[in-house]
Amino acid sequence: GQNIDQPTEMTATEGAIVQINCTYQTSGFNGLFWYQQHAGEAPTFLSYNVLDGLEEKGRFSSFLSRSKGYSYLLLKELQMKDSASYLCAVRDQSRSTDKLIFGTGTRLQVFP
Amino acid sequence: ETGVTQSPTHLIKTRGQQVTLRCSSQSGHNTVSWYQQALGQGPQFIFQYYREEENGRGNFPPRFSGLQFPNYSSELNVNALELDDSALYLCASSWDGGSNEQFFGPGTRLTVL
Repeated sequence: GQNIDQPTEMTATEGAIVQINCTYQTSGFNGLFWYQQHAGEAPTFLSYNVLDGLEEKGRFSSFLSRSKGYSYLLLKELQMKDSASYLCAVRDQSRSTDKLIFGTGTRLQVFP
Repeated sequence: ETGVTQSPTHLIKTRGQQVTLRCSSQSGHNTVSWYQQALGQGPQFIFQYYREEENGRGNFPPRFSGLQFPNYSSELNVNALELDDSALYLCASSWDGGSNEQFFGPGTRLTVL
């Protein structure tokens, strides 16, 4: 089956660092995305990992371990505007369809 | 801004009615995917269209159907609306079904009463 797990909610303080974990079990794995979604808005792309290791992009970094079915998103120097839901999505290219399978999202609240 | 637009922004329908949602993909993108996002959930894959043909479908009944046109626009049609169809409907476009990123539109919020 296909299963993606991430924590439902997290809280953190402005200026701190937070790590959002994601574990997955899917067929046809061809990469993992992280999206940010503010309430009532569309998801916006943050990162894409297809090989093992850490990808750094400014304040955001994403890590992937394919053998462990595990990824995390690291947010540094948190700002109030980082309060949003963070979606982990696996790119599944089975049965000739290229689709994203999303977790339920982690709602992050940043406090001053 | 992703260059993907959707209309309408919000829509209210009653049970049993039919609805058509529209999406205009980013220029040059030949693949469009539709997702349903219920409140507090992640988006769920409905189906994908590639070069105007359905190219895969998620776990949704046949009353969910779609079309893709040569001008990069597409439609999602839902017949016999049910209360549980209330959700945010997102379209996402990409190139050749194999690009690294799907670009999401702002979504249509459908409420079924």
